[in-house]
Formats: sequence, structure tokens, C-alpha cells
Amino acid sequence: EAQVTQNPRYLITVTGKKLTVTCSQNMNHEYMSWYRQDPGLGLRQIYYSMNVEVTDKGDVPEGYKVSRKEKRNFPLILESPSPNQTSLYFCASSRQKQETQYFGPGTRLLVL
Amino acid sequence: GQSLEQPSEVTAVEGAIVQINCTYQTSGFYGLSWYQQHDGGAPTFLSYNGLDGLEETGRFSSFLSRSDSYGYLLLQELQMKDSASYFCAVRGKAAGNKLTFGGGTRVLVKP
Repeated sequence: EAQVTQNPRYLITVTGKKLTVTCSQNMNHEYMSWYRQDPGLGLRQIYYSMNVEVTDKGDVPEGYKVSRKEKRNFPLILESPSPNQTSLYFCASSRQKQETQYFGPGTRLLVL
Repeated sequence: GQSLEQPSEVTAVEGAIVQINCTYQTSGFYGLSWYQQHDGGAPTFLSYNGLDGLEETGRFSSFLSRSDSYGYLLLQELQMKDSASYFCAVRGKAAGNKLTFGGGTRVLVKP
């Protein structure tokens, strides 16, 4: 089944404790991205990657890191999480220059 | 930068027609996309307009007018399952592949 998976789905952590949210897709898509969703603010792009070893900042990259060492994986790293990073996070993938993005199920993060 | 505006909420009854407008500001973009998101779920792709005009997919249609910086999503023969949030999005040429979403329109369908 074609899908985008994220782990964990739910996470409660404390300020400053490094964490990684994994994202994997099995559709051989070149383009992958991370979004955060907050009430009233819609979906905001954090980082995106157009292919392996190619990443770029979205609209809200501060406090986040990403890497794209393999085509299928695009982990999101919070080196020192803060409470303002409490949010719902989505990973998405698509073929290059294709508009149909496939979203993962989401990761709900609470930073205390 | 890029910005998109949508109404925050629309309420309608089953069987009705709802139009969700999306006005945008961008220096150049590839096209306008629409996504649906049910409560607790992930966004799912609905439609894409690369060219001006109307695109029809079953009960849903989407329209784009680049000269007016405006697009809309039309939901026809509303069903209870259409209660969800709907987002428009553009991928800007000046911004590479950066995708910007509108704030979303919550559609509530009543019996």
C-alpha cells in the first residue's frame, strides 16, 4: 500500500530534550516536506527536500533540522525543543513538480 | 512572499452548494491546489488548477483566475461527510518548491 508513515504519532517531552520524528514514504517520491499545523494558522511549511541531499527552508524553519540521506526517509529533528514547538506535525511527499502531496497521519507533540 | 486568504467557516445544509473562495498574493506560481482535512485526520488532495478555468471532479469543482488572483472550490450536493476543513495552497516559482497554504475554511454541513 502506498503510504507516508510517521513515528511517533504522539509524543510528550520536556524543554531541551532532543527528539527526532521519523518520516518514510514507499512511493519513490523525490519531494518531501514537513509542516506544522496550529489552530487558526493553517499548515506552515518547515523544511522541504527536492531530492536526496537537497533540503531547503520553508516558512518556519527556526528550531528545526532535517536531513535527506535516503530517498524514502526525511526525519525532523528538534535539537532543543521549546514549548512554542508544541504542535501537530505532518510529513508529506510527492513526485517532482507534481501537485498531489500525500500526507502522513501526523505527529502530535507536546513540549512541557 | 506568498499569502492566501480564505473564509474561516461556512455552514450549509445537506444537498446545498458551497463555494469557498481563496484570494492570494504571490509574485508567480505554478498553480492552485485544494486539500480536505477531516477532524483528527491528515490533509488529502482534492484538486489542482494549473491553468485558468474550471476543473471538475465529481461533486467538487475548482476554479482559477490568475488575472483576478482568485480561485474557489465548489462543493455541490453537500453530504454530511463533507464536513471538514478545506485548504487552498500555491507553490511559488520565486520560492522554488516552497508550498504555502491558506488558513483553511471549516465547512459544517447540517441535516
